[in-house]
Amino acid sequence: EPEVTQTPSHQVTQMGQEVILRCVPISNHLYFYWYRQILGQKVEFLVSFYNNEISEKSEIFDDQFSVERPDGSNFTLKIRSTKLEDSAMYFCASSWEGTTDTQYFGPGTRLTVL
Amino acid sequence: AQSVTQPDIHITVSEGASLELRCNYSYGATPYLFWYVQSPGQGLQLLLKYFSGDTLVQGIKGFEAEFKRSQSSFNLRKPSVHWSDAAEYFCAVGAGAAGNKLTFGGGTRVLVKP
Repeated sequence: EPEVTQTPSHQVTQMGQEVILRCVPISNHLYFYWYRQILGQKVEFLVSFYNNEISEKSEIFDDQFSVERPDGSNFTLKIRSTKLEDSAMYFCASSWEGTTDTQYFGPGTRLTVL
Repeated sequence: AQSVTQPDIHITVSEGASLELRCNYSYGATPYLFWYVQSPGQGLQLLLKYFSGDTLVQGIKGFEAEFKRSQSSFNLRKPSVHWSDAAEYFCAVGAGAAGNKLTFGGGTRVLVKP
């Protein structure tokens, strides 16, 4: 069964450093998403991406964040200058359609900012 | 704005007993409702979803959920729990035609006693 994959599974970085989290969505999906879960808190929506542009973003997704689909398979989340409060589990998801389709989630990348 | 509440943070149930997880949502229009399960070290796996039609929805692993508009609820049930059902369960609401993002509840951690 096709699945969403994410690398790395765990990333440790120093505050102020840039990080790139990588995701490979399911191959025929058209919509891509990032969510995050700070330890002990809810899973929160960050951004959705379709047709090579952001279709929706949350208040969390400020200028420090960016997303890109650099080729036909990868979908990345970049955090330009990490802060302590960016420490969280980051989940990538993809879906075939947008509003009514199931979003399939990857296993997550745990980001630890020191 | 949409929101989801899962009133129970932890539930402990004996193997073979029935399980019910509560979910209440707030959304102005017809909601798209989902239940996801997360096992340790795994991503979020879809158990079932409700978009329209029959208010009793069957999912994978023997789970079902019932949509009750009058109570703004979408409770998850399983008649007989197996040890492998120990996990964290998340209810989520989608915005439907208004957008792609999912809004998650805080999750319910289920422990299964032998």
